Amino acid sequence: DAGVIQSPRHEVTEMGQEVTLRCKPISGHNSLFWYRQTMMRGLELLIYFNNNVPIDDSGMPEDRFSAKMPNASFSTLKIQPSEPRDSAVYFCASNDRLHGYTFGSGTRLTVV
Amino acid sequence: AQTVTQSQPEMSVQEAETVTLSCTYDTSENNYYLFWYKQPPSRQMILVIRQEAYKQQNATENRFSVNFQKAAKSFSLKISDSQLGDTAMYFCAFMLGAGSYQLTFGKGTKLSVIP
Repeated sequence: DAGVIQSPRHEVTEMGQEVTLRCKPISGHNSLFWYRQTMMRGLELLIYFNNNVPIDDSGMPEDRFSAKMPNASFSTLKIQPSEPRDSAVYFCASNDRLHGYTFGSGTRLTVV
Repeated sequence: AQTVTQSQPEMSVQEAETVTLSCTYDTSENNYYLFWYKQPPSRQMILVIRQEAYKQQNATENRFSVNFQKAAKSFSLKISDSQLGDTAMYFCAFMLGAGSYQLTFGKGTKLSVIP
């Protein structure tokens, strides 16, 4: 298995633009998580899905953020419109009871 | 809500020496897991070691071991025979044993191994 695959690895965009981050979890993992990492706040959970259903999105900072998981092998995190304070590293991770957590390599987002 | 505290923002250790990173947590639950993750400059999050709260025996993975003190809610990581490749951010993390499986992270400790 190639692990959790995130794309793009880096994204630079202008303020006000729409940004879409993508994640392919490990096949067979039931849960998928989106985390954000910043210097100020560390690693924060944004949202997680269980069997493709969003369970807890209380960490999503505001309505500009949305996440979807249309099937077991794909998830997106969208920011529209993006703002400079959204600059961070965004991690996707998948998990199952047996094997535990696996993180993707993250997407470094810079909003200028 | 659970909280995880790492009180050492930065630490350094000489190559081949031993270093201990501290972590405390707060929870009212009895069934949970604790983890240490390593994040090198590549930013990949790598699981170092895992401890189940119901196990009294401290987890060990090669040069990495933990000192789990459940009553004190303390979970420190000991790295023996430090190597240059151990230079990284280290994060302590907590997960409940049932329910969401979400991780709550500490703010991290930046470890530098000095040649």
